[in-house]
Amino acid sequence: DAGVTQSPTHLIKTRGQQVTLRCSPKSGHDTVSWYQQALGQGPQFIFQYYEEEERQRGNFPDRFSGHQFPNYSSELNVNALLLGDSALYLCASSASAGSTDTQYFGPGTRLTVL
Amino acid sequence: GQSLEQPSEVTAVEGAIVQINCTYQTSGFYGLSWYQQHDGGAPTFLSYNALDGLEETGRFSSFLSRSDSYGYLLLQELQMKDSASYFCAVRDQTGNTGKLIFGQGTTLQVKP
Repeated sequence: DAGVTQSPTHLIKTRGQQVTLRCSPKSGHDTVSWYQQALGQGPQFIFQYYEEEERQRGNFPDRFSGHQFPNYSSELNVNALLLGDSALYLCASSASAGSTDTQYFGPGTRLTVL
Repeated sequence: GQSLEQPSEVTAVEGAIVQINCTYQTSGFYGLSWYQQHDGGAPTFLSYNALDGLEETGRFSSFLSRSDSYGYLLLQELQMKDSASYFCAVRDQTGNTGKLIFGQGTTLQVKP
């Protein structure tokens, strides 16, 4: 049973560029949430996707956007990268949005913006 | 708003017992979760308390007092591999999406 997978594991970009991160949820899960974790901090909620729609959004600018595909996998896009976007981006999956406090996290994508 | 507070660092020796506290302020409350994260790794779910009292899972136990808005994670018979960051988290009441709000994390260092 495959857990949550994310790609790539590491990424280096320069300011102003755009990036796309990918996530495949745990088998049987239909809900994907994205979190940003700065060094030494707890994960911060970016948004959640369920049934291919964004259900809730955290306090992040419109430069952060996402998508969910029919197979429940998801992408996180960040435009016009800033130095402050450097962080670990975590994808978490769960079954049926809102019904559980248990989320399964992927290993994350470490994004460095130079 | 909602916030959680936990100590930034805790140090203990192998074989000892350590308690990591978490206090929270929320507009509504479902329960308190605990996650473990090794350096560079994914947060992994440890435990969840919805009701007052102690939940035990092997060497780890978690406690909740809803009236005090307080909980703790208890790690017994510490092992070197327990060195990690530990996060308490609550589920956001708005949107009913399971959005988690995390504390800043407690870095546990286990020494031989």
